[in-house]
Amino acid sequence: EPEVTQTPSHQVTQMGQEVILRCVPISNHLYFYWYRQILGQKVEFLVSFYNNEISEKSEIFDDQFSVERPDGSNFTLKIRSTKLEDSAMYFCASWGVAGGLNEQFFGPGTRLTVL
Amino acid sequence: AQSVTQLDSQVPVFEEAPVELRCNYSSSVSVYLFWYVQYPNQGLQLLLKYLSGSTLVKGINGFEAEFNKSQTSFHLRKPSVHISDTAEYFCAVSDANQGGKLIFGQGTELSVKP
Repeated sequence: EPEVTQTPSHQVTQMGQEVILRCVPISNHLYFYWYRQILGQKVEFLVSFYNNEISEKSEIFDDQFSVERPDGSNFTLKIRSTKLEDSAMYFCASWGVAGGLNEQFFGPGTRLTVL
Repeated sequence: AQSVTQLDSQVPVFEEAPVELRCNYSSSVSVYLFWYVQYPNQGLQLLLKYLSGSTLVKGINGFEAEFNKSQTSFHLRKPSVHISDTAEYFCAVSDANQGGKLIFGQGTELSVKP
């Protein structure tokens, strides 16, 4: 069964450092997303990406964040200068006809810890 | 703007008892509705979804949910729970179009006791 994969599973970084979280969406999917979940809180939408550009972003997704699809398989989230409050679980998701109509498949997440 | 309210943050229940996890949403447009489950230290797994058609939706692990448009609700039910159902459950809504982002509720922690 196709699945979304994410690396690394856990990332520890110092405040102010740049981090790149990586995702491999399901092949042939069209839409890609990043969500985050601060410990003990709900899952929050960050950004959606379609046709090689951002289709929608939330207020959380400020200038410190960027996304990229550098090749045909990877989808990355970059945080330019991490803050303590960026500590969270980050989930990548993808959607497409191959995965079923209107069902987003989620990756296992990357736990980001900012010290 | 869309929003989702899960009325119960924690639901303790005994094994083999029935359970209902409540979810209400607000939206000015047609929506799709979803329930996801999150086991400790794991990702999100889709339990079931409502896109159109029958308002009673059956999902995995014996769960079902009923879409009630007049009450803007999408409550999740299971007639008999198991210890293994202990997890966090999230209700989510998206616009009824392709590629729409998911808006999640706060989550309900289901704790099944022997």
